[in-house]
Amino acid sequence: EIVLTQSPGTLSLSPGERATLSCRASQSVSSSYLAWYQQKPGQAPRLLIYGASSRATGIPDRFSGSGSGTDFTLTISRLEPEDFAVYYCQQYGSPPWTFGQGTKVEIK
Amino acid sequence: EVQLVESGGGLVKPGGSLRLSCAASGFTFSSYSMNWVRQAPGKGLEWVSSISSSSSYIYYADSVKGRFTISRDNAKNSLYLQMNSLRAEDTAVYYCARAKQWADAFDIWGQGTMVTVSS
Repeated sequence: EIVLTQSPGTLSLSPGERATLSCRASQSVSSSYLAWYQQKPGQAPRLLIYGASSRATGIPDRFSGSGSGTDFTLTISRLEPEDFAVYYCQQYGSPPWTFGQGTKVEIK
Repeated sequence: EVQLVESGGGLVKPGGSLRLSCAASGFTFSSYSMNWVRQAPGKGLEWVSSISSSSSYIYYADSVKGRFTISRDNAKNSLYLQMNSLRAEDTAVYYCARAKQWADAFDIWGQGTMVTVSS
C-alpha cells in the first residue's frame, strides 16, 4: 500500500499570499496518478488536480500541481477567501487507492 | 446536471447491517467506474471500495474486506454498498464518487450519507 504523507498539517496564511502544500509518497506513484481535492466544512470533496498537474474542469488557474515519482506539490498562487479549506492528495495508480491525511489552510 | 445522491444511512447497532445506495443522473452511468469513500467525524478521507463500469473489477480496503459488498445496477443507474457486521469504527459519512476509468481521479462526488454504529 502506498502511504501518502502531507505537510504541513496546518498552513496559516493571509488572503493574497502563496500557499505551497506537499504530498510525499512511500513509493513511486505510477504514471503520476496523483490527485488533489479541496474540502470545505460540511461539503463533499471537490477535485482540483488530476494526473499530478492537470486542472479539473472549472478550477481557477491560481491552483497548480507539480511533481512526479514520490514528491508532489499543490500551489495556490494567491489565496482567495474561498480557498481556506482542507486539501487532500490521493494516489490512484496502485490499488488500494490511498489519501493523505490532509493539510488545513487557515486564515492567519 | 451531473449528480450523485446517496441514501440509506442511519443508526445501527454493532453487528448490524445497512445498505447504502447512490443514484446517478446526468451522465452515462454504465461508462464510469464508481467508488465509495468514507470520512469518520473530524477525520480524513478513507477509500472503501471501487467497482469498474461492467463490474469486472472490484476492490476493497482491508478494513472492510469480507464485511462490505459493492455492486451496481447499470439499468437503474445505481451503486450500492452492502455493509454487514458493522463496527463502531465504521461510523462515518459515506460518499459515492465517480471516476472516468478504473484508475482515475474521482471527479464527481455525492453529498454523503451518515452511518452511525452505536448501541
